[in-house]
Amino acid sequence: GAVVSQHPSWVICKSGTSVKIECRSLDFQATTMFWYRQFPKQSLMLMATSNEGSKATYEQGVEKDKFLINHASLTLSTLTVTSAHPEDSSFYICSARLVNGDTQYFGPGTRLTVL
Amino acid sequence: SQQGEEDPQALSIQEGENATMNCSYKTSINNLQWYRQNSGRGLVHLILIRSNEREKHSGRLRVTLDTSKKSSSLLITASRAADTASYFCATDASGGGTSYGKLTFGQGTILTVHP
Repeated sequence: GAVVSQHPSWVICKSGTSVKIECRSLDFQATTMFWYRQFPKQSLMLMATSNEGSKATYEQGVEKDKFLINHASLTLSTLTVTSAHPEDSSFYICSARLVNGDTQYFGPGTRLTVL
Repeated sequence: SQQGEEDPQALSIQEGENATMNCSYKTSINNLQWYRQNSGRGLVHLILIRSNEREKHSGRLRVTLDTSKKSSSLLITASRAADTASYFCATDASGGGTSYGKLTFGQGTILTVHP
């Protein structure tokens, strides 16, 4: 089946630093990847849609200058949390959709803790 | 607001019993998907049902969709302790273009199956 990986699985950083999270589709090409954020005991909230070779589309209320997304290849999208603050601490999950497919395959998530 | 609302928020049953979770949504959809999430982990895709389908089966899972009532249900038969997890419904209401494939998640049902 389609596998999506994320790296790192967890990261702890100091307030004010930037953190990069990678999302890779291991055995398929994904023209579209999605980035979600999940706070404890809550549901997933879509942050942005990452399209290969073009600018990401951000959901309302998500700061594009704070959450930089780069989708440089058909198998890799990165999310960079810039100048992270404690309120950015969350579980970040990516997903990838097969070309012409409806099913999204999710990565295992990255737990970010900002001190 | 969230597209999907799920009930119950929490469900506790004994092994061997059936578990039923419901999901309601507000807009027209292309498909509805159910996912499972173990604590602190990524999402696992369980089943997708399209707007023109009414019922779908996969192993011990049975999903129904009533587009007139904008609701869906997930039934897990003969539950096992290993079924303990959070279950989310997600609707794909995208109309195409850059929004294609966007999912809106419900709040989720926490299922606990006691051995």
